[in-house]
Amino acid sequence: QQQVKQSPQSLIVQKGGISIINCAYENTAFDYFPWYQQFPGKGPALLIAIRPDVSEKKEGRFTISFNKSAKQFSLHIMDSQPGDSATYFCAASTTSGTYKYIFGTGTRLKVLA
Amino acid sequence: GAVVSQHPSWVICKSGTSVKIECRSLDFQATTMFWYRQFPKQSLMLMATSNEGSKATYEQGVEKDKFLINHASLTLSTLTVTSAHPEDSSFYICSGGGSYNEQFFGPGTRLTVL
Repeated sequence: QQQVKQSPQSLIVQKGGISIINCAYENTAFDYFPWYQQFPGKGPALLIAIRPDVSEKKEGRFTISFNKSAKQFSLHIMDSQPGDSATYFCAASTTSGTYKYIFGTGTRLKVLA
Repeated sequence: GAVVSQHPSWVICKSGTSVKIECRSLDFQATTMFWYRQFPKQSLMLMATSNEGSKATYEQGVEKDKFLINHASLTLSTLTVTSAHPEDSSFYICSGGGSYNEQFFGPGTRLTVL
């Protein structure tokens, strides 16, 4: 029940295309869903996060879509660029207690020039 | 976003020695800090959660006597890997908790035990 399932494991997109990464969770107590970007040898960087009171959040080229009834959320990267090539992790947590994160397994994105 | 630093960024040590990794929140106070371990091409595995001035809470399967965590101030947490062995070689990452559930991650420390 604590798992966060992430797909696909890897993704190849042409420059200018849309990259879509999906995550699903079971624990209905989760109420905070961040996405992180990680480059090789670096720590993860927070991209965008959403709470379940909204169904979509957009920041620049990055959009999170959230479906509370389906317990799913996804990251859309519009106009994907070679510089977006990285590993992306979704996570879920509760806003009470120590709010530790449950991470997805990661998606390795490669954007072709 | 808030900035977290880690030191050292890379360390090589001999088997049996101890290694200390520092994690600092540079521009915010982190009441809670988290320590993760990441193997190549894998996700982040939470090792422990530490609150300033309190004992760390370790995840199941993490040896608390091997991975000593100290969170003495709101801006500094340390992870000491005691009696390191080659299987402890990994990428160790800390994060500091923000005001709104965010976690801000450090750049990571690559530990290689010979």
